[in-house]
Amino acid sequence: AQKVTQAQTEISVVEKEDVTLDCVYETRDTTYYLFWYKQPPSGELVFLIRRNSFDEQNEISGRYSWNFQKSTSSFNFTITASQVVDSAVYFCALRWGSSNTGKLIFGQGTTLQVKP
Amino acid sequence: GAVVSQHPSRVICKSGTSVKIECRSLDFQATTMFWYRQFPKQSLMLMATSNEGSKATYEQGVEKDKFLINHASLTLSTLTVTSAHPEDSSFYICSATSGSNQPQHFGDGTRLSIL
Repeated sequence: AQKVTQAQTEISVVEKEDVTLDCVYETRDTTYYLFWYKQPPSGELVFLIRRNSFDEQNEISGRYSWNFQKSTSSFNFTITASQVVDSAVYFCALRWGSSNTGKLIFGQGTTLQVKP
Repeated sequence: GAVVSQHPSRVICKSGTSVKIECRSLDFQATTMFWYRQFPKQSLMLMATSNEGSKATYEQGVEKDKFLINHASLTLSTLTVTSAHPEDSSFYICSATSGSNQPQHFGDGTRLSIL
């Protein structure tokens, strides 16, 4: 069965601190995609990144970086020099298998609060 | 970029009312649309997968007669919550994709409150 676990329910940091959001996934398929989404208080989902299972290269986009480790089935997300505007709920998600209809399974979400 | 429009953004209505939520792909053909439900402070739970021109596939535990899904065209899917009750109050989000290996694009969600 497929599963996404975000063990951190809530994280609170002070502005300019670095913060890492953990994501651990489970799937037996060799072909899968991993995603991170941001959900601000207004509710919409903001796409942050998609990574396929054959690409383990880490990625950096501005203050955001992602560490994909297949050996530990983890896809962690780091925000460097956090800002108040980063406060939101962050979801990690998994789409698995070549025959899958494309549906996503989401982790429980991590609420990040960045205090000024 | 691809845009998915979801309407209405907020609905407040009396118990027993049926509510229709629309999900439109504005600049691409959505062969598949998905409907998710999110309770406060919880994750998104997939309710059903909707393919254009065919019946929706519902996830386990989701009542088909309660949540009617229609995907009549490649740009529009609708979710109708029939005879809504307070326990149906939730945040409903749709997403659309042009193929199983293509990205999903999410609507902005509909906040449904049943009094």
